[in-house]
Amino acid sequence: AQSVTQLGSHVSVSEGALVLLRCNYSSSVPPYLFWYVQYPNQGLQLLLKYTTGATLVKGINGFEAEFKKSETSFHLTKPSAHMSDAAEYFCAVSDAGNMLTFGGGTRLMVKP
Amino acid sequence: KAGVTQTPRYLIKTRGQQVTLSCSPISGHRSVSWYQQTPGQGLQFLFEYFSETQRNKGNFPGRFSGRQFSNSRSEMNVSTLELGDSALYLCASLSTGKNSDTQYFGPGTRLTVL
Repeated sequence: AQSVTQLGSHVSVSEGALVLLRCNYSSSVPPYLFWYVQYPNQGLQLLLKYTTGATLVKGINGFEAEFKKSETSFHLTKPSAHMSDAAEYFCAVSDAGNMLTFGGGTRLMVKP
Repeated sequence: KAGVTQTPRYLIKTRGQQVTLSCSPISGHRSVSWYQQTPGQGLQFLFEYFSETQRNKGNFPGRFSGRQFSNSRSEMNVSTLELGDSALYLCASLSTGKNSDTQYFGPGTRLTVL
């Protein structure tokens, strides 16, 4: 069975500061890893994904994540937070792209 | 390409009733998955349909069912509604070809059970 743990249900940063959202996963097979963002009253938008190849993955809106197999982690970072980044972020794992298993989500707040 | 569409966007029902939600995937996508999102349980996988066949199923009671049509559109049905069924129901279509490992989500249907 697969599982995902997101440390910190709420993260608050100042505008311009580094954003770091943590994700650890458990999987018995090589995982496919995803980060999605959800704005209020909307569905999920894909930020980035890791399937195979380069372990540092760049996504939309300046976000990136690094797959670290030894640490079973896939943390999401952005060098400089913007007010528009305030949203809820979900890390997810699957073994083939379907049947996503999600973490509990992290609500990012950005202070002016 | 148009994105995943879901209808209706909002729905209010009473306990004991049944409800049907609809999802149209991105053109060319043949796999449709459904997820339930609640504050308490988070995002949970309900089921996946591919070429009109249920390919995977999550851990939900039999009151939750679905189907897929030949044009890949999918419907989800919940019978004998309970208060706990109040949730945002998200539909996702799985891309094919080069990005055949990515699910694209619709805006969701917000179901409120009174």
